[in-house]
Amino acid sequence: EVQLVESGGGLVQPGGSLRLSCSASGFTFKDHFMHWVRQAPGKGPEYISTIGSNGETTFYADSVKGRSTIFRDNSKNMLSLQVSSLRAEDTAVYYCVKDRSGTWSFDFWGQGTLVIVSS
Amino acid sequence: QTVVTQEPSFSVSPGGTVTLTCGLSSGSVSTNSHPSWYQQTPGQAPRTLIYSTNTRSSGVPDRFSGSILGSKAALTITGAQADDECDYYCVLFVGSGWVFGGGTKLTVL
Repeated sequence: EVQLVESGGGLVQPGGSLRLSCSASGFTFKDHFMHWVRQAPGKGPEYISTIGSNGETTFYADSVKGRSTIFRDNSKNMLSLQVSSLRAEDTAVYYCVKDRSGTWSFDFWGQGTLVIVSS
Repeated sequence: QTVVTQEPSFSVSPGGTVTLTCGLSSGSVSTNSHPSWYQQTPGQAPRTLIYSTNTRSSGVPDRFSGSILGSKAALTITGAQADDECDYYCVLFVGSGWVFGGGTKLTVL
């Protein structure tokens, strides 16, 4: 059974930084692209970032480009996202999402971790 | 900036058929956009319904189907049920990444 468990969310002050983690199990992690998608309260999901299976390829949405880093540790089946210079509009549930190989689409979603940016 | 458009809301009678659409603010949606559809109930993570335009994800009932209709991607629900009442999001791959539509809130009544 595929499982994606996010952690690292919480209350952060504006201008601060946060590292989110996602522990993966139930599939061959090193063979899959992985994504982060976020969803602000009452809004639709928003694509944030992607990392290739070996970590060498990364994509970022404009909303986080330059202040976010996605990385992975295939030896530990872990995906991470570091976000800095946080602002109120970064408040959202952040989902770790498994890629569906070869289809340019999302497959399985974790339950998400809530990040609140507020003073 | 690419904007993916969806109907904000739609209503369907139980047992009825409804087609939700997914368009681009400029241009047409084709299979090259790799349209996919996701279902989300309140408080839950999204669930994949359709990928690659028209392929159902594992466990998705065959009353959900995807297609290209004209210049848009479409999700058709045939024989709508009460628990289909939730939010539906389409996603398009636009070369530099993925873009979500604003979602359609489906009411079954």
